[in-house]
Amino acid sequence: QVQLVQSGSELKKTGASVKVSCKASGYTFTGYAMNWVRQAPGQGLEWMGWINTNTGNPTYAQGFTGRFVFSLDTSVSTAYLQISSLKAEDTAVYYCARDRRVVPPLLWFDPWGQGTLVTVSS
Amino acid sequence: SYVLTQPPSVSVAPGQTATITCGGNNIGSKSVHWYRQKPGQAPVLVVYDDSDRPSGIPERFSGSNSGNTATLTISRVEAGDEADYYCQVWDTRSDHVVFGGGTKLTVL
Repeated sequence: QVQLVQSGSELKKTGASVKVSCKASGYTFTGYAMNWVRQAPGQGLEWMGWINTNTGNPTYAQGFTGRFVFSLDTSVSTAYLQISSLKAEDTAVYYCARDRRVVPPLLWFDPWGQGTLVTVSS
Repeated sequence: SYVLTQPPSVSVAPGQTATITCGGNNIGSKSVHWYRQKPGQAPVLVVYDDSDRPSGIPERFSGSNSGNTATLTISRVEAGDEADYYCQVWDTRSDHVVFGGGTKLTVL
């Protein structure tokens, strides 16, 4: 069945970097865009952006430029989110979510990964 | 940027109908999608393209969209429907995805 499996929880120090993986299975990886969504503790869903799984071209939402990088390894059907210079406010659950389309206009997200908790502490 | 407005909370007794709204400027011209998120779990798509249901989602879940308001309706509410619900659209002006702030559904 179609599923996205993310890497496990991370505990990082302020200023460090983290790389979250999202492994897809059950479908053609390059046939659908991949989105990233952040959920801070007790807060709502925040779209971080998406990556074109055909070209590897990323698009970042406002507030997610500079320290955030989306990447792919299509040979293993995996998308990655890397965050550098971590801050306490980066503490959140990060989700990958497959889009219905491969290019904009993006549509609905289904399925979602199980989420990866990134905790940043000094 | 485009803004989607949801009520923070909705309460309903078991067996009754829950209505969760999602307000946005001329949202009726956009496709609206809805997600359910139970505590500690990832969001799950429950309605897409305003009113279509993915396989496995009960017929009790329905959606509509017109004017400045999209609506998710849950009929014959059950205790298991208690969750946070989010609406989502694609904003063509910014080429960005937008989520509503979420609505906490409480089953009394």
